[in-house]
Order: sequence, then C-alpha cells, then structure tokens
Amino acid sequence: EAEVAQSPRYKITEKSQAVAFWCDPISGHATLYWYRQILGQGPELLVQFQDESVVDDSQLPKDRFSAERLKGVDSTLKIQPAELGDSAMYLCASSQAGNSREQYFGPGTRLTVT
Amino acid sequence: SQQGEEDPQALSIQEGENATMNCSYKTSINNLQWYRQNSGRGLVHLILIRSNEREKHSGRLRVTLDTSKKSSSLLITASRAADTASYFCATDASDSNYQLIWGAGTKLIIKP
Repeated sequence: EAEVAQSPRYKITEKSQAVAFWCDPISGHATLYWYRQILGQGPELLVQFQDESVVDDSQLPKDRFSAERLKGVDSTLKIQPAELGDSAMYLCASSQAGNSREQYFGPGTRLTVT
Repeated sequence: SQQGEEDPQALSIQEGENATMNCSYKTSINNLQWYRQNSGRGLVHLILIRSNEREKHSGRLRVTLDTSKKSSSLLITASRAADTASYFCATDASDSNYQLIWGAGTKLIIKP
C-alpha cells in the first residue's frame, strides 16, 4: 500500500540552527499539506500546496519558515533559525483531487530544539 | 484555528466495553472525518461522513452526524487494547479550499 514518506523521523537541533524536513507524498496526489502538532493538541496547518503552487501559507511564520514543492512532487519544509518554541511534531499529508478529501499522513518528524 | 472540539478530552475503559467520543463544530461542512493517532505517530483516516448522511458504519466503528446540532459521535464497539490512541475529528468546511479543521482530540485508553 502506498504511503507518505517523511525524513528524518527525529531531529534534535540547537536554537538558532537551521533544520529541514522532507516529504514524499503518495504518487499522484496533487495536494500536499504540512502541519505542526504540539503534544496534546490537534494538527495546525502550516502550508498547503496544489501541485507546485502554494494554496495557503497564512499560518506559516514566514520570517523563519519556508516551504517548497518545486516539481509538484516531494516537498521540503525549512526552519531558520530554529527557536525553542518550534519543538513539535511536523506532519506531512497528501490527498487526491476530488470530493473525498481524505488525507493520508506520513509518520511525522519529531523536532526538539535545545 | 480549531473548529472541532472533542469530548471527553480523555477516556479510560475496560477492554470489551464500548467507547463513545463526541465532536462539535461551528460552521457548515461538506463532510466530517475521524482519524486515529497512535502515540508519537502520524494520523490514520478512519471514516468520512458527508453532510447529507446521518450514520455510517465501518467494522466496529459507528459514526453519527447531526448537522442541526453541529455535532458528531464516534462509537467503537467491543474495544481492544490496540484501540488505545488519540482520536481526532476534522471538518471539511463548505468554503475550505480542501482544508480540514481539526479538534484537539480525545485520548482513549483501553485497560486490559
């Protein structure tokens, strides 16, 4: 069964350092989402792509976060510089176009900023 | 912003009992979805119910939707230890641009 791939699974970094996360969605899924999830809370959307275009990045802290999906397939989320408050789970999800809008999630990257 | 609110925040029951979780939301929706998240992992889609549906079943899961009350419930029958997880409702609002709005989740613990 096709899955969303994410790497790394875990990342520990010091504050002020740069960090990057990678996501490869299910083949053929045009829509890709990056979420941040703090322990005990639901996912919070950071950015949504349709193919290579950003549909919504209104919740992305653009002074330090950036995201790209250059060829409309895999995607990278970057944080520079990382802050203590960025410690969280970063989840990538993808979905097909169409009415169901069911999202398929990767295993996530657990980020700890020290 | 979070539209859905799950109730209760945490639920602990004995294996074999039924577990019921509730979700309330605020705006008109196209559909409502339930997801499960095992500790420290990604989310897994469980079931989707459309706004014109009132009840849906999938295996041991039963979901109801009351659009007049803007609420949904998820029933897990004959619970198993493997059902221990957090459960989230997510709404696809009518003007959402394919986005889901998530609740804070219910943490379910099944005691053996």
